[in-house]
Amino acid sequence: SYELTQPLSVSVSLRQTARITCVGNNIGNKNVHWYHQKPGQAPVLVIYRDNNRPSGIPERFSGSNSENTATLTISGAQVGDEGDYYCQVWDSGSGVFGGGTKLTVL
Amino acid sequence: QITLKESGPTLVKPTQTLTLTCTFSGFSLTTSGVGVGWIRQPPGRALEWLALIFWDDDKRYSPSLKTRLTITKDTFRNQVVLSMPNVDPVDTATYYCAHSTTSGGNALLSWGQGILVSVSS
Repeated sequence: SYELTQPLSVSVSLRQTARITCVGNNIGNKNVHWYHQKPGQAPVLVIYRDNNRPSGIPERFSGSNSENTATLTISGAQVGDEGDYYCQVWDSGSGVFGGGTKLTVL
Repeated sequence: QITLKESGPTLVKPTQTLTLTCTFSGFSLTTSGVGVGWIRQPPGRALEWLALIFWDDDKRYSPSLKTRLTITKDTFRNQVVLSMPNVDPVDTATYYCAHSTTSGGNALLSWGQGILVSVSS
């Protein structure tokens, strides 16, 4: 089965840029989606199809995807951006999530 | 405005069948490209994709759980049902349903609040 690997944790200073990676075999050939989950809440889609922001998601969220690595970039990180981030793709007819990354804003 | 809400038992005994219902509004499962999926999250752990049903009744399952899951839809009641027989304590998790579209690459666009299901005798 297809595997997606994310770092367990990422730290970023307030108003600096955070980057969260998602590694998968030839992931550049797939559509990658990113979700943000705060404690006790349902996940929220922040990026879909590599680099598209749903309505209501701030411009500081962006995404890229090439070869074996997809990256979620949060420019000017805010305290409210803390939480868990998950990447997700569609592979062989079903969905797959990465293991999640805990983002801490210092 | 799209909303989804999960309902079902919050406590199930081992070996029983878990049946969860997702009731949604703001979209129709008869619209081309639309889907509703199920995802679960054991306490303190990562999200796990379970199943998704499309507007045309195409059904997709996680390969690891394919033999245990059944997803069905009732377009008149705007509901999607997930069934999982023979549950085990490892199936204890918060179960979410979510709306998707093929134009969005099958991303999970809107989520329900989730329902915590405990499997225990």
